[in-house]
Amino acid sequence: GENVEQHPSTLSVQEGDSAVIKCTYSDSASNYFPWYKQELGKRPQLIIDIRSNVGEKKDQRIAVTLNKTAKHFSLHITETQPEDSAVYFCAASFWTGGFKTIFGAGTRLFVKA
Amino acid sequence: NAGVTQTPKFQVLKTGQSMTLQCAQDMNHEYMSWYRQDPGMGLRLIHYSVGAGITDQGEVPNGYNVSRSTTEDFPLRLLSAAPSQTSVYFCASSYRQGGDTQYFGPGTRLTVL
Repeated sequence: GENVEQHPSTLSVQEGDSAVIKCTYSDSASNYFPWYKQELGKRPQLIIDIRSNVGEKKDQRIAVTLNKTAKHFSLHITETQPEDSAVYFCAASFWTGGFKTIFGAGTRLFVKA
Repeated sequence: NAGVTQTPKFQVLKTGQSMTLQCAQDMNHEYMSWYRQDPGMGLRLIHYSVGAGITDQGEVPNGYNVSRSTTEDFPLRLLSAAPSQTSVYFCASSYRQGGDTQYFGPGTRLTVL
């Protein structure tokens, strides 16, 4: 079935360093790849997304890249700050008679001050 | 505009009991979905709906029923609760299916004893 794999499961960086989280997906027909941030005890919230006709998208310190041939996409956070500490989820939308959004297992990011 | 609301926030059930988790949105969104979140497993899709009167199964539908009689409401029913259903449940909605931001409710923390 459809699957999204996410790595690493935990990531610890020093404040100011960059963080990279990688995801792979199984369905080559997937066309939408969002990233969600979830702070402790809160609901997931979209931070950036990318569509299959775009290779890269940037929003201030956050960027996402997509390689459709390899079926993987990555989240890049530059100049990390303590408030970036959270769990990050990648996801991919598949069409199976209706769109399903399948999430990766999440990456817990710690930014040390 | 309240966004996506869920009730209750917390619930404790005994094995075999049934209950309904409520979800409502006031954004006139066409697409609604239910996820469960377990430690280390990300968000897993239970059921989703692309509009009033239309529902379909996600990744982990067993033990759960849904209905969508109105655009606004999408309740999730646990037929006979089991300890394996202990989890945090999130409802989400988006303007349209596929390729659109999902807005999550605050979640319901369910414990089945």
